[in-house]
Amino acid sequence: SSELTQDPAVSVALGQTVRITCQGDSLRSYYASWYQQKPGQAPVLVIYGKNNRPSGIPDRFSGSSSGNTASLTITGAQAEDEADYYCNSRDSSGNRWVFGGGTKLTVL
Amino acid sequence: QVQLQESGPGLVKPSETLSLTCTVSGGSVSSGSYYWSWIRQPPGKGLEWIGYIYYSGSTNYNPSLKSRVTISVDTSKNQFSLKLSSVTAADTAVYYCARETSTVTGDWFDPWGQGTLVTVSS
Repeated sequence: SSELTQDPAVSVALGQTVRITCQGDSLRSYYASWYQQKPGQAPVLVIYGKNNRPSGIPDRFSGSSSGNTASLTITGAQAEDEADYYCNSRDSSGNRWVFGGGTKLTVL
Repeated sequence: QVQLQESGPGLVKPSETLSLTCTVSGGSVSSGSYYWSWIRQPPGKGLEWIGYIYYSGSTNYNPSLKSRVTISVDTSKNQFSLKLSSVTAADTAVYYCARETSTVTGDWFDPWGQGTLVTVSS
């Protein structure tokens, strides 16, 4: 079982906005990072810290956090955003790292 | 630009030891700014953090694997390695190495290696 909980699947219409959430007690103390993984590929960092995007990540990706929930928002989802998304943060001890179970995003 | 590349056997027999190496290019494992991690993903499943090593040799492991895991670093070769002992079919996974940044403003893994599939089977 994971200390970070994600919805297994989410869908969004092309061009619309979608929010993917990640819940866990440790998120009250630590920021989440978010990773996009397409089939057969390694995960790619899309959001880290409070709301930071690595170079090359489109600005339609943004992050936020409130209480025990971190969110990844895609504003104007594109077909190429269809992928699995994983959140990651420290566990409740602060000394280990855990991943959420992943959310499969379908762009309709 | 830092790049990571995993290498090692793709097939390991049950009860034996899985050994993988991650070669870092475009950067140094001796950098005090980063931790060097292993993460795995069983087929069709999610990501699991295995552990990390700092250039000094200090380590931190996932408690669920701690009794079987050893991560080491070779600064002369700019590599770090993973050993997982007494493997079973449940250890079949794609194994990734990744660089971890840990700051007061957050922690994140970037970049990642391409991953290597290790199958445990006789």
